Amino acid sequence: GAGVSQTPSNKVTEKGKYVELRCDPISGHTALYWYRQSLGQGPEFLIYFQGTGAADDSGLPNDRFFAVRPEGSVSTLKIQRTERGDSAVYLCASSLTGVTGELFFGEGSRLTVL
Amino acid sequence: DQQVKQNSPSLSVQEGRISILNCDYTNSMFDYFLWYKKYPAEGPTFLISISSIKDKNEDGRFTVFLNKSAKHLSLHIVPSQPGDSAVYFCAASGNNNAGNMLTFGGGTRLMVKP
Repeated sequence: GAGVSQTPSNKVTEKGKYVELRCDPISGHTALYWYRQSLGQGPEFLIYFQGTGAADDSGLPNDRFFAVRPEGSVSTLKIQRTERGDSAVYLCASSLTGVTGELFFGEGSRLTVL
Repeated sequence: DQQVKQNSPSLSVQEGRISILNCDYTNSMFDYFLWYKKYPAEGPTFLISISSIKDKNEDGRFTVFLNKSAKHLSLHIVPSQPGDSAVYFCAASGNNNAGNMLTFGGGTRLMVKP
């Protein structure tokens, strides 16, 4: 498809488990962003990639969260030792250049930690 | 510290009337503002934007107004239609390390009644 694709759309896991969320951005977009949206709140910035490198990871809440984008396209958000407070919708967005303009969002991955 | 605030969590409007959604920001470095619309189980989709060098931008039924001195922007939808019922997020970006990373408000749920 032409849009940002995220998998899985839903993930239920147990406290303490490891989770990976995948994002496939719009082809040709060099900038990729991860956001987290908790119930009743707006999306909160987690990390920004320009190409393969994480240009800004200041939004990652702690060292249990990590993200990679090894070939400058698909990105994976990795969460270790999940906690109930990690439950949220994780949104991925991409942008053509990361300089200006709008971000295009995927439908999100809903993570539920029991 | 919320840099972008939407103080009305919900708004109900009759079909055909005007909807006015408000947004306030605190960071004077923000120079680009956007409105996103979000339906349930979907990612946010871009609606309209405005640069800080302008005070108004219009696109069909949607107009965004920016008052820099008051650090306030608003989205006007006229006439409102039932299909406009969604959550609307105000977002802002400025000179920072994270490209055109967006900072979002908490959202306003608009309900347009037929």
